[in-house]
Amino acid sequence: DAGITQSPRHKVTETGTPVTLRCHQTENHRYMYWYRQDPGHGLRLIHYSYGVKDTDKGEVSDGYSVSRSKTEDFLLTLESATSSQTSVYFCAISYDSDGYTFGSGTRLTVV
Amino acid sequence: KNQVEQSPQSLIILEGKNCTLQCNYTVSPFSNLRWYKQDTGRGPVSLTIMTFSENTKSNGRYTATLDADTKQSSLHITASQLSDSASYICVVRRNNDMRFGAGTRLTVKP
Repeated sequence: DAGITQSPRHKVTETGTPVTLRCHQTENHRYMYWYRQDPGHGLRLIHYSYGVKDTDKGEVSDGYSVSRSKTEDFLLTLESATSSQTSVYFCAISYDSDGYTFGSGTRLTVV
Repeated sequence: KNQVEQSPQSLIILEGKNCTLQCNYTVSPFSNLRWYKQDTGRGPVSLTIMTFSENTKSNGRYTATLDADTKQSSLHITASQLSDSASYICVVRRNNDMRFGAGTRLTVKP
């Protein structure tokens, strides 16, 4: 998707290991979001950021932390991955916290 | 209970046929409603946005309707094409909070 990239696209990790997912944007948008998508559920907000070093929790933030040291990068960290964190993770950016542009997602499998 | 409910969960239609997807919501106060299309392995892409005062909005073969009184929206797809096969997600905004439906998985068969 133009202006937003996620890495890696796929990852398999073992239970208990730390994992970091990266979201990079070239649009200079203020707002960035991390969502997870699971079958039967709508996208659920994990954390979001409204500026450099300004972040806040979403509805499913337990077990996750984020950091935003630069406008263009928003990192999502699973400190100690669990099987319940197996999911597809989407990053989104927004100019005005309204319309979102989503990345292509990261499929994470915790075994 | 999710504040945004979509139906059906999945739908299979033949190429060239029309279909209608439904979205009912209880989110309040209402700011706007968007329909997104999500192709397999991709992120959602916005199709249309509906504000409180809008009843109908078209984007090519896609027509969205909104009834803010009954808190219902629909997405009508005309003359379906194979490329319409995707998940369609209804998203309702309440102030700065977005609520996502679980989506309808549409399969268009030749």
